[in-house]
Amino acid sequence: EIVMTQSPATLSVFPGERATLSCRASQYVSSNLAWYQQKPGQAPRLLIYYASTRATGIPARFSGSGSGTEFTLTISSLQSEDSAIYYCQQYNDWLPYTFGQGTKLEIK
Amino acid sequence: QVQLQQSGPGLVKPSETLSLTCSVSGGSISHYYWSWIRQPPGKGLEWIGYIYYTGSTTYNPSLKSRVTISADTSKKQFSLKLTSVTATDTAVYYCAVKDGGNDLTFDHWGQGILVTVSS
Repeated sequence: EIVMTQSPATLSVFPGERATLSCRASQYVSSNLAWYQQKPGQAPRLLIYYASTRATGIPARFSGSGSGTEFTLTISSLQSEDSAIYYCQQYNDWLPYTFGQGTKLEIK
Repeated sequence: QVQLQQSGPGLVKPSETLSLTCSVSGGSISHYYWSWIRQPPGKGLEWIGYIYYTGSTTYNPSLKSRVTISADTSKKQFSLKLTSVTATDTAVYYCAVKDGGNDLTFDHWGQGILVTVSS
């Protein structure tokens, strides 16, 4: 099983600043990496797939980068509604498809 | 715009079978990968498995012996059965799909059902 490790566990950032979230895969996953945002009581929302492609309707302040085993989600110009838990997910050929443990983003 | 509506009991007794259904509207079930994902309270996400529109299935190896995902295309529904449940199967269960793509990411989700395993 490919283990996805996210860091930091919690991130606290001021509105208007930039947040950088990291995700590391225990094995090579090419660019088969997605990012999700989950708010309390809601289903996850797809933000990024294929490491850097924004999903439909996702604002341009969300961007993804990386390939292989190291990936980054950057949220520029943070807004209060960005407060959430963010998960990465690998969907390379190796089963099972796995998620990271999440990064909790707090807006100060 | 695909919409997913889940149904099923919120309480299941230990050793019994968990059964959930996901009804699809606004799109055809005859495309894409239709998945189930779960999330224990306060914890992260676990992919359970999917059924492809051809009817083929793929499961998480850790659950494979207990999971069955099936589809009824005439009713535009797909279902999850998980046998011999224990308290560790208590979770919010989601159905999910990627509309318009053949990758295993998920841009449409059901509302989620909290299934509690308890006597």
